[in-house]
Amino acid sequence: EAGVTQFPSHSVIEKGQTVTLRCDPISGHDNLYWYRRVMGKEIKFLLHFVKESKQDESGMPNNRFLAERTGGTYSTLKVQPAELEDSGVYFCASSRTGVLSAVNEKLFFGSGTQLSVL
Amino acid sequence: AQTVTQSQPEMSVQEAETVTLSCTYDTSESDYYLFWYKQPPSRQMILVIRQEAYKQQNATENRFSVNFQKAAKSFSLKISDSQLGDAAMYFCAYRSDGANSKLTFGKGITLSVRP
Repeated sequence: EAGVTQFPSHSVIEKGQTVTLRCDPISGHDNLYWYRRVMGKEIKFLLHFVKESKQDESGMPNNRFLAERTGGTYSTLKVQPAELEDSGVYFCASSRTGVLSAVNEKLFFGSGTQLSVL
Repeated sequence: AQTVTQSQPEMSVQEAETVTLSCTYDTSESDYYLFWYKQPPSRQMILVIRQEAYKQQNATENRFSVNFQKAAKSFSLKISDSQLGDAAMYFCAYRSDGANSKLTFGKGITLSVRP
């Protein structure tokens, strides 16, 4: 079974440019999450999709960030225009039901996209 | 809002020895879940162990065990017989009970293992 896949693994852009990150969750996982870690700080929640719907987007920093999950499969996170403080590692995770109290339910993470805004 | 605190930024352990990583959290909830995740150089986060708050028994997974002190809101991870492959960043995380709830992470701790 393929894991959660994220593209690209690294991205270096200049301030003001646009970047789109992609996440392919595990097949059949309805729940998809985006998290971000700024260097030296906590990993912070950005948003949560259930299929194609945004269940919780309370962690999105501002309107320069746009997440989509058309068709309930892969998701994209676009940053436009990028600012210096957007640098960090962006993680995607997926789970089947979202009910982590279930004994066998787990959250699977991708390897993240390292975004550097210069 | 819940918070998770990992006050030690880094630790080091001799191979085959035991090390304990500290984590405290703050919450007003009574039902929740606690996790330790490992992030090796590959960056992929791997679940090490999880603890349900309603369970008094501490979780164990092979060489990994936790010391869960609910009243003190403490959740430390003990790694026994440390191996070189245990070197990684470790994150403590909290999740409220209920469907579709997000994880709250600590800042993480970098563990190095000396051969």
